[in-house]
Amino acid sequence: GEDVEQSLFLSVREGDSSVINCTYTDSSSTYLYWYKQEPGAGLQLLTYIFSNMDMKQDQRLTVLLNKKDKHLSLRIADTQTGDSAIYFCAEGRFNKFYFGSGTKLNVKP
Amino acid sequence: DADVTQTPRNRITKTGKRIMLECSQTKGHDRMYWYRQDPGLGLRLIYYSFDVKDINKGEISDGYSVSRQAQAKFSLSLESAIPNQTALYFCATSISGGNEQFFGPGTRLTVL
Repeated sequence: GEDVEQSLFLSVREGDSSVINCTYTDSSSTYLYWYKQEPGAGLQLLTYIFSNMDMKQDQRLTVLLNKKDKHLSLRIADTQTGDSAIYFCAEGRFNKFYFGSGTKLNVKP
Repeated sequence: DADVTQTPRNRITKTGKRIMLECSQTKGHDRMYWYRQDPGLGLRLIYYSFDVKDINKGEISDGYSVSRQAQAKFSLSLESAIPNQTALYFCATSISGGNEQFFGPGTRLTVL
């Protein structure tokens, strides 16, 4: 909703890096989020970045934000089979959250 | 996350039936939300509530209604279910001034 866009699928081999991309349209977004949804489960917050930051790193996860292009990416280093899930990009504005369609990450052994 | 619970977890019903989905939370959060998830469409906001007696429509509220009976409870009703309301429904909570939403496990609803 609200023009948060992601590609639907990504397939990588175990041990490679995964990069999931997202574009958004509203420059007034305060926070940008990455959520993970495992099969049969709800969404869990992986990480978020404040809109005045360019990068945030948290163990194997690196979030890059390009405000000029309204582009957000999530890099997962050394991808494991347990990382297979749907990843949602979301933007937060005025206490409402707008989600992309989700990218299904498939990690092949 | 056991702090946000949804009942039932699965429901199959027929066209025209009235259905209620329940959400409870023990987080003490003031804000609650209902979303539906459809393949390839992500999550779309149905209704949200920033406090008891505060109800706001989301982007796809037609065919749905909600009730915020207490701070900890937010229920979603389908007055007359139709097949295109078949989806996965999520409840979420947040706290005012916070920057994270916490999701329930979801309710899978099938309308035949």
